[in-house]
Amino acid sequence: DAGVIQSPRHEVTEMGQEVTLRCKPISGHNSLFWYRQTMMRGLELLIYFNNNVPIDDSGMPEDRFSAKMPNASFSTLKIQPSEPRDSAVYFCASSFRRGGSGELFFGEGSRLTVL
Amino acid sequence: AQTVTQSQPEMSVQEAETVTLSCTYDTSESDYYLFWYKQPPSRQMILVIRQEAYKQQNATENRFSVNFQKAAKSFSLKISDSQLGDAAMYFCAYRSVTGNQFYFGTGTSLTVIP
Repeated sequence: DAGVIQSPRHEVTEMGQEVTLRCKPISGHNSLFWYRQTMMRGLELLIYFNNNVPIDDSGMPEDRFSAKMPNASFSTLKIQPSEPRDSAVYFCASSFRRGGSGELFFGEGSRLTVL
Repeated sequence: AQTVTQSQPEMSVQEAETVTLSCTYDTSESDYYLFWYKQPPSRQMILVIRQEAYKQQNATENRFSVNFQKAAKSFSLKISDSQLGDAAMYFCAYRSVTGNQFYFGTGTSLTVIP
């Protein structure tokens, strides 16, 4: 079975440019999470969705960040305009929660570098 | 909000030896799930082991086992017969039975010495 698929794996862009990160969760999973990982701040939850509906976006840094989940098999995280401090690894993770532990399955991450 | 604390930023172990990584958490809930995730240099986070709080028996997965002390709110990971491939960052995580959010610790970087 395919795991969580993220693209691109690496992105280098210049300050002010728009960045779009993509995620395909595991088929059948009903929750999707976006995390950001940096050396300074560790692993931070940005937003998560249940059944394609955003539940908690309190971790989204500011209005420059937006996330969508138009259907159960696709989500995007967009940064516009990007800034050097957005440089990080962005992880997408999905889970299936129905009476069980609902552990997270992570993608391989998208490493973003903003120059 | 729940908090998860990993007090050991770095640990090292000799190959074939045993190492224990510590994790404590703070919660007022009686039922929850605990996890250990491994993040190797390839950076993908992989589930190592999980523990349901209502189970008294400590979870075991091959060379990995936990010491779950519910009263002390402690959840340590023991790696036996350490291998070079165990070198990674290890994260402890908490999830409520009712909620959907995960709470992660800051991680412990494990070095395995040949």
